[in-house]
Amino acid sequence: SQTIHQWPATLVQPVGSPLSLECTVEGTSNPNLYWYRQAAGRGLQLLFYSVGIGQISSEVPQNLSASRPQDRQFILSSKKLLLSDSGFYLCAWSLGLAASYEQYFGPGTRLTVT
Amino acid sequence: AQSVAQPEDQVNVAEGNPLTVKCTYSVSGNPYLFWYVQYPNRGLQFLLKYITGDNLVKGSYGFEAEFNKSQTSFHLKKPSALVSDSALYFCGSSGSARQLTFGSGTQLTVLP
Repeated sequence: SQTIHQWPATLVQPVGSPLSLECTVEGTSNPNLYWYRQAAGRGLQLLFYSVGIGQISSEVPQNLSASRPQDRQFILSSKKLLLSDSGFYLCAWSLGLAASYEQYFGPGTRLTVT
Repeated sequence: AQSVAQPEDQVNVAEGNPLTVKCTYSVSGNPYLFWYVQYPNRGLQFLLKYITGDNLVKGSYGFEAEFNKSQTSFHLKKPSALVSDSALYFCGSSGSARQLTFGSGTQLTVLP
């Protein structure tokens, strides 16, 4: 069966510091991968998605970037964190980009920027 | 463009009573509709989806959803609510853009 991991689970970082969040998927090959941010426990905002190694699409301009160095690894980064980057970050995967495919989510990373 | 609306921020229901969490959509072309549940400080869990076919879709944990094309709705239902069903529920849609768009979420509280 497929499993998706995210780490760290929680993170407290000062403003201006760098960020690296990691997501890995097990049990499937060539998944489509997604990064979402959930602010204030509610709305989900799609940040990035990837259909393959080195292929990243950005949905919104922001202080963040994403990379996919391996087939089942997706990394979210920032060079300098802002207070507004605080939130709950969720990684997800799906079998394809077809509209009918459901996405499966990781446990999330709670980021607090102080 | 596609959008999903969850008109209720909060739904309260007594344990054992039927529950309904509402969702309406606006999607160009054929809609693909999803329901997810989120427990505190956890990721979203997939409950069910509508792609085509029978308008009544059955999913995990006894949940079901009814697709209504004329009302552009996809309401989540359960015949008998459990306290453990208390969580945040998200409706989502994907269409020609092939991206999953979520509603704002509905907090369901089942009272013992």
